Amino acid sequence: DQQVKQNSPSLSVQEGRISILNCDYTNSMFDYFLWYKKYPAEGPTFLISISSIKDKNEDGRFTVFLNKSAKHLSLHIVPSQPGDSAVYFCAASEYNFNKFYFGSGTKLNVKP
Amino acid sequence: KAGVTQTPRYLIKTRGQQVTLSCSPISGHRSVSWYQQTPGQGLQFLFEYFSETQRNKGNFPGRFSGRQFSNSRSEMNVSTLELGDSALYLCASSSTGATNEKLFFGSGTQLSVL
Repeated sequence: DQQVKQNSPSLSVQEGRISILNCDYTNSMFDYFLWYKKYPAEGPTFLISISSIKDKNEDGRFTVFLNKSAKHLSLHIVPSQPGDSAVYFCAASEYNFNKFYFGSGTKLNVKP
Repeated sequence: KAGVTQTPRYLIKTRGQQVTLSCSPISGHRSVSWYQQTPGQGLQFLFEYFSETQRNKGNFPGRFSGRQFSNSRSEMNVSTLELGDSALYLCASSSTGATNEKLFFGSGTQLSVL
């Protein structure tokens, strides 16, 4: 029972353009969401997070948008760089729980 | 500060055997979580330990167990290995395991069951 879904296994974008990665969830009790980036042979590294009281959070080139009514979040990368090529995972948890539900990941390829 | 360290990096076992994986968290971190990553399945939560106590558990069979030591190092054990246990096992640590803390992951142990 996948409570967090990333329906696009892969995405290819030209350098300098915007990358938009999407994530859907089913559990309305989720109130904290994160994005992780993973390079081959390395563990995931934290990218950006958002709590349910916000609908947007920015950190440099990365912006996460949360639409609670649609149970949807997205990660925007502007401008995309070749070094951004990696697998991106979204994750969600309920407040006061230290258990995260991860999506299956989207492999982003940024072409020079 | 050293990151999360997982050993061994690679492991090959045969069906029916058991295996123990080790994780050393970032110094000062007291919460350690374990995740299983399989192709197309993302990361699935196994369990979380804090101060030597298991606080939360995922939906895995009892063959999967873990423990945490007083120095916060953690081990994960899988008994009676099955082919489907082949996966990347990731350990993550955080300061207290509070929901709004980000997890710091190790590079994982790649387990292959033949």
